[in-house]
Formats: sequence, C-alpha cells, structure tokens
Amino acid sequence: DSGVTQTPKHLITATGQRVTLRCSPRSGDLSVYWYQQSLDQGLQFLIQYYNGEERAKGNILERFSAQQFPDLHSELNLSSLELGDSALYFCASSPGSGANVLTFGAGSRLTVL
Amino acid sequence: QKEVEQDPGPLSVPEGAIVSLNCTYSNSAFQYFMWYRQYSRKGPELLMYTYSSGNKEDGRFTAQVDKSSKYISLFIRDSQPSDSATYLCAMNDYGQNFVFGPGTRLSVLP
Repeated sequence: DSGVTQTPKHLITATGQRVTLRCSPRSGDLSVYWYQQSLDQGLQFLIQYYNGEERAKGNILERFSAQQFPDLHSELNLSSLELGDSALYFCASSPGSGANVLTFGAGSRLTVL
Repeated sequence: QKEVEQDPGPLSVPEGAIVSLNCTYSNSAFQYFMWYRQYSRKGPELLMYTYSSGNKEDGRFTAQVDKSSKYISLFIRDSQPSDSATYLCAMNDYGQNFVFGPGTRLSVLP
C-alpha cells in the first residue's frame, strides 16, 4: 500500500456521461498530480495541485476539470465522455517540498462504452 | 527532440542476466532522477531515487546518473521473472515539474 488512495478502482460508463475520480494523498503530502495512461501508452500529465491551488496544467482536455479540497483530497471530473477517454487514471502525491519524488496510487480504470 | 527518451523495448532476457535500462534527457535543469516499476495495469512504484550525478545501489538494483552526458541507467543484477514489468525513468528540477520517459517493457524468461 503506497498510502495514496484512489476510488473507484474500476468504472464502466457510457459515452456522454460524467464521472468523478477521487484521490486521497499520502499523509503529509501537499501536492497531488493526475495522470492518464491509455492502453500501452506512457503517462500523460494532466494537472497538479499544491495545497489547494492549481500549480501546473498538462494535456488536460477542456471536458476535464479537477480540484483539491481543504483536507487535501482531490477529485478529477471527466464530462461528455468519449470512447477515447477509456484509460487508467493515476493520482500521485508528493510532499511539495524536500524529497522530490512522486508516490502513485493504484489507479482508477475507466471504461467508456 | 523529446524531453526524455527511453527505448520502449520490449526487452527479453533469460533469468539471471544483468539488465541495463537507459534514458537520455535534454533539460540540464533536472537534478532528481527516479526509476519506477509498473506491473501491468498497476500503479508505478518507486524503485530508485538519486540526486545529481553518481551511483546508488539497493540490493540487486543500481542507478547511475551522468549529468554531463544527460544519461541515466538502471542495472538489475541476477534478474528474476518477477522483475518482468515496465520500467519508467522520471526526472525533476528543483520545482514540481516531473517528466517521465515512455517506459521500457522488460520480460525475464525462466
């Protein structure tokens, strides 16, 4: 157990729908990162939050949004889902200062039918 | 030129072989270098973490960083079938910008 908790583990939904993925960072970590990994593809950086504030944006679609709450958990909202959004979505956390490493969660597998 | 390049493999080796995995990068600002192991459909797990140039050893794993050549390596000694996974290199500057390589898929055959 890495200490980063992601729910749900697996989600099946239909095109056009909206889903929310949740992440609780490792205790003490202030930064949360979201990554998308399609089948046999590398990790694509989506967005980063630090202590509630958006810090960096990657290749995140306008249909996707995220936030980090005061208790530091984060949610990634995916709307108007398309078949191509089917992927593994990983959350990772880091202290935000000091050791510069990311700790990943187990991922949420999204299947859009 | 991509910021981080990594041979995607697949790389197949017999059990007990020494495995060498490599990444090259272009951004001289990177100071922190990591290797992650990812089993199929699982979350990446941190294997090795080094700061700046030099070597670091942990059991069967050795990480090397050559900043002058912008080249990092991970060596796995006495490879085991359980080492079969995708290995991702990652690097970071003093900020919070993490850049990952595409990963090398390794198969260790019994």
